[in-house]
Amino acid sequence: QVQLVESGGGVVQPGGSLRLSCAASGFTFSSYGMHWVRQAPGKGLEWMAFVRYDGSNKYYADSVKGRFTISRDNSKNTLYLQMNSLRAEDTAVYYCAKVREMATTFDAFDVWGQGTMVTVSS
Amino acid sequence: DIQMTQSPSTLSASVGDRVTITCRASQSISSWLAWYQQKPGKAPKLLIYKASSLESGVPSRFSGSGSGTEFTLTISSLQPDDFATYYCQQYNTYSWTFGQGTKVEIK
Repeated sequence: QVQLVESGGGVVQPGGSLRLSCAASGFTFSSYGMHWVRQAPGKGLEWMAFVRYDGSNKYYADSVKGRFTISRDNSKNTLYLQMNSLRAEDTAVYYCAKVREMATTFDAFDVWGQGTMVTVSS
Repeated sequence: DIQMTQSPSTLSASVGDRVTITCRASQSISSWLAWYQQKPGKAPKLLIYKASSLESGVPSRFSGSGSGTEFTLTISSLQPDDFATYYCQQYNTYSWTFGQGTKVEIK
């Protein structure tokens, strides 16, 4: 079945770095755009970053631009989020999500991972 | 960025009630709107895309309508499994945004 599994979360000090991974299975990963979305404890959903199916274009929320980098390895069916210069306000559950239709940019997110928790604290 | 505003923030209802949640966009997004359901500790689940298209496997008691700047999600007859938080999301621009959420509670 179609599945996304995030990993790499944990506790990191302010100013530190962390790399999240999202392993995809059950669909042709290289044909779909992918997103990262986060949710701070008790708060709503916040979109973070998008990468096109072929990795050619990437977009970021202003809150993470210049600090976070989204990437993908289509040969490994894996999405990544490199997070640098982490701040306390980056503490959240981080979800990866798949775009509903192949080779599109503007579409809903039809499959989500279970999320991985990132805690930024000294 | 396009701002998405949902109302109400919290809604108390009983099983069998008809429930409507409203989502307003700060500028026109045509029909590029989705609705998600989220239960505590779980990932969001897609219910509606393109404002009114029902995602496969989602019960027909869920429906969406609207275009431009005003949208609604309707649950025709609330079921016990529907108590959750609902989010709208626009995907019209290179800065996808969600509403703040509407929590549907048991009355």
